[in-house]
Amino acid sequence: NAGVTQTPKFQVLKTGQSMTLQCAQDMNHEYMSWYRQDPGMGLRLIHYSVGAGITDQGEVPNGYNVSRSTTEDFPLRLLSAAPSQTSVYFCAIRGQGGGELFFGEGSRLTVL
Amino acid sequence: GQQLNQSPQSMFIQEGEDVSMNCTSSSIFNTWLWYKQDPGEGPVLLIALYKAGELTSNGRLTAQFGITRKDSFLNISASIPSDVGIYFCAGDPSGGSNYKLTFGKGTLLTVNP
Repeated sequence: NAGVTQTPKFQVLKTGQSMTLQCAQDMNHEYMSWYRQDPGMGLRLIHYSVGAGITDQGEVPNGYNVSRSTTEDFPLRLLSAAPSQTSVYFCAIRGQGGGELFFGEGSRLTVL
Repeated sequence: GQQLNQSPQSMFIQEGEDVSMNCTSSSIFNTWLWYKQDPGEGPVLLIALYKAGELTSNGRLTAQFGITRKDSFLNISASIPSDVGIYFCAGDPSGGSNYKLTFGKGTLLTVNP
């Protein structure tokens, strides 16, 4: 999947627990982003980064934190998980050629 | 935020039939992208469009960037069972400088062999 590695692929949490979804890329792309996908809602942007040390909010940022210490990694943190955060999460990088996004395989999160 | 209306929401067709789906926006987009998602996988880019009026093909797939810059169309000719999946349109209203790609809600395609 275009050099984007997401871990874990599946995770079950209890309400209030914290966790970090990992995203790593090996293509030295500056742009990385996190989307969530819910049935009937399409893909919605959570946070994105245009380079190390630079992050910004997307459409649905509440309840999520991000940081970008290195070009390779862009972790997504849930500090206190809620059932509404049950979703499939995709990390995506932006190609050098233009606007295309390339996605990882996804992380399926269930919050009980 | 930007809104993309994708239609139809779902399609059930016979193998060999042609398929058409489209996306419309209330505002102008500078880039239109079409993705396909198989079950349990991430979306995969099919076609990217960058200029109004542009018509681009990828095998049996053809996509067009509407002349008004507010819509895009994807056609699949002679469908086969492996075309099954969810198709998403996506648009970038700023030509890449904004980095906030907006997605439609998807078209679920089922192909009956």
